[in-house]
Amino acid sequence: KAGVTQTPRYLIKTRGQQVTLSCSPISGHRSVSWYQQTPGQGLQFLFEYFSETQRNKGNFPGRFSGRQFSNSRSEMNVSTLELGDSALYLCASSLGLGQYFGPGTRLTVL
Amino acid sequence: AQTVTQSQPEMSVQEAETVTLSCTYDTSESNYYLFWYKQPPSRQMILVIRQEAYKQQNATENRFSVNFQKAAKSFSLKISDSQLGDTAMYFCALDQGGKLIFGQGTELSVKP
Repeated sequence: KAGVTQTPRYLIKTRGQQVTLSCSPISGHRSVSWYQQTPGQGLQFLFEYFSETQRNKGNFPGRFSGRQFSNSRSEMNVSTLELGDSALYLCASSLGLGQYFGPGTRLTVL
Repeated sequence: AQTVTQSQPEMSVQEAETVTLSCTYDTSESNYYLFWYKQPPSRQMILVIRQEAYKQQNATENRFSVNFQKAAKSFSLKISDSQLGDTAMYFCALDQGGKLIFGQGTELSVKP
């Protein structure tokens, strides 16, 4: 089976812009979660989607949003980018006994 | 609040030796899952081993094994016969209903 894929792998944006990241889960996995990884804060949970519904949400401002489509693919959107949003954004899919991660999207905000 | 603590920011081990990484956690739940993930320099997070809290038997995956002490809320990872490819950041994680809570990580260097 193909693993979790994320696009794009690298992204450079300027403050105030918005960005959309995409994640395709492992075939058959209906749960998709998003995490932000930074040197200072480590790995932090953003949100989880299951069958197109947000099931869990982390402690991030409303500028961070997501959605899931009927084929389980998920997108994450960040509006009004800030310098502090520079991070590695990881997507993971799951069948229930462990989450399997994609390679991540490296977002740099200038 | 659920927390995961890894008290060893960095460790090193000689090739072929054994090393143990420590992790403690806090949760009020009685049933939960614990994981160790490996993140090599490529930044790809790889699931190493999982442990279900209701199982008393410690999980083992080839050279990787855990010492799960539920009452002490401790979950350490033992790597036997360390290999150069084991060099990576290792994260302990607690699964709370689909949300993973990660420790700060232990950077492991395997030296030839």
